[in-house]
Amino acid sequence: AAGVIQSPRHLIKEKRETATLKCYPIPRHDTVYWYQQGPGQDPQFLISFYEKMQSDKGSIPDRFSAQQFSDYHSELNMSSLELGDSALYFCASRGTAGSPLHFGNGTRLTVT
Amino acid sequence: SQQGEEDPQALSIQEGENATMNCSYKTSINNLQWYRQNSGRGLVHLILIRSNEREKHSGRLRVTLDTSKKSSSLLITASRAADTASYFCATDAGTGANNLFFGTGTRLTVIP
Repeated sequence: AAGVIQSPRHLIKEKRETATLKCYPIPRHDTVYWYQQGPGQDPQFLISFYEKMQSDKGSIPDRFSAQQFSDYHSELNMSSLELGDSALYFCASRGTAGSPLHFGNGTRLTVT
Repeated sequence: SQQGEEDPQALSIQEGENATMNCSYKTSINNLQWYRQNSGRGLVHLILIRSNEREKHSGRLRVTLDTSKKSSSLLITASRAADTASYFCATDAGTGANNLFFGTGTRLTVIP
């Protein structure tokens, strides 16, 4: 069965650079979530989209933005990167409210 | 915040023993979900228990939910080395926010 696809798998950037992370949800899933997980930390909710509209916002910095496109894939854009942005970024999707989330394998971002 | 707190933060047991992890949360929920995460990988859904359920089983997993105490437990019976992972509980408020809040996780090590 198709899973959530994230790209790239690894990304190395320098401070103040920009990064774009991509997420392709499971087919027919209309809700996408982004989470950030620092080393040894629990996943922190960043932002979610339902039917291409932002549905909720968590602890996402103003330097980050995201959107969901007509084909339901989503992109997380990160600007003015800081060392503290180094983390695993997970995308998850689900088809109906209250059902479990399906996670991608994440993008490991390293900011040097 | 709805974020759950889990204890213990780390648990080390011998193969064949049972492992119990606990999760406490702060606000009303629609359901509570348990996820497993192997190091550096995406989270994998294990089991979902609704607010009107008290206990649920899936294979070697047993989950309980006490909404009066705002707590849940995950029991893994007859543990195996392959069960070594981090385990997270996540609360779903079922509100318009439509997102999950994760607890801090328990790192389980099963020694062969």
